[in-house]
Amino acid sequence: NAGVTRTPEFQVLKTGQSMTLQCAQDMNHNSMYWYRQDPGMGLRLIYYSASEGTTDKGEVPNGCNVSRLNKREFSLRLESAAPSQTSVYFCASSMTGVDSPLHFGNGTRLTVT
Amino acid sequence: QKEVEQNSGPLSVPEGAIASLNCTYSDRVSQSFFWYRQYSGKSPELIMSIYSNGDKEDGRFTAQLNKASQYVSLLIRDSQPSDSATYLCAVKRGQTGANNLFFGTGTRLTVIP
Repeated sequence: NAGVTRTPEFQVLKTGQSMTLQCAQDMNHNSMYWYRQDPGMGLRLIYYSASEGTTDKGEVPNGCNVSRLNKREFSLRLESAAPSQTSVYFCASSMTGVDSPLHFGNGTRLTVT
Repeated sequence: QKEVEQNSGPLSVPEGAIASLNCTYSDRVSQSFFWYRQYSGKSPELIMSIYSNGDKEDGRFTAQLNKASQYVSLLIRDSQPSDSATYLCAVKRGQTGANNLFFGTGTRLTVIP
């Protein structure tokens, strides 16, 4: 049982390049999320998928798109990266329900130069 | 006003002491409350959840919730150097949908040997 896994661990992009962050969970969770974490800003929601086949914008979706490929997988694509997207990105998953906590995978450290 | 507020710290306590971490939230309809521990460079890890007023104990950890005053706290008894981390408070509103979880910016705890 690996929990929530993501690739890659680190990435350096030049301004204007694009990339996809991959996330998978094996806990049979319905909901999946992408967050970014910046110093002094805390965790901010980029996109989420409440269930397979649905995706919605979070607080800071700009410059990103997502795909819920199936129940297990949720990818985040950065189109035309900008230095403001330099951050640590976390994927998470949870069951449906107000009392369901999030389970996080390891972060991806992205630097855009 | 932020949804969830925490003192950023750093909070320093000697080994063996009680560490007290506090969190206030702004929305009275919030229903679920979570404490996450995040070691430097790592992902957030759930350590406690609480849903009703009062105390909830789990080993050396006690979560306290006071909905009337809109605060939730985490007490760590017999603090150990391994407890040194950033503690994130997360608050979930009661409505359905995934975009209803809010994180504080975290309190950095240092336990001094």
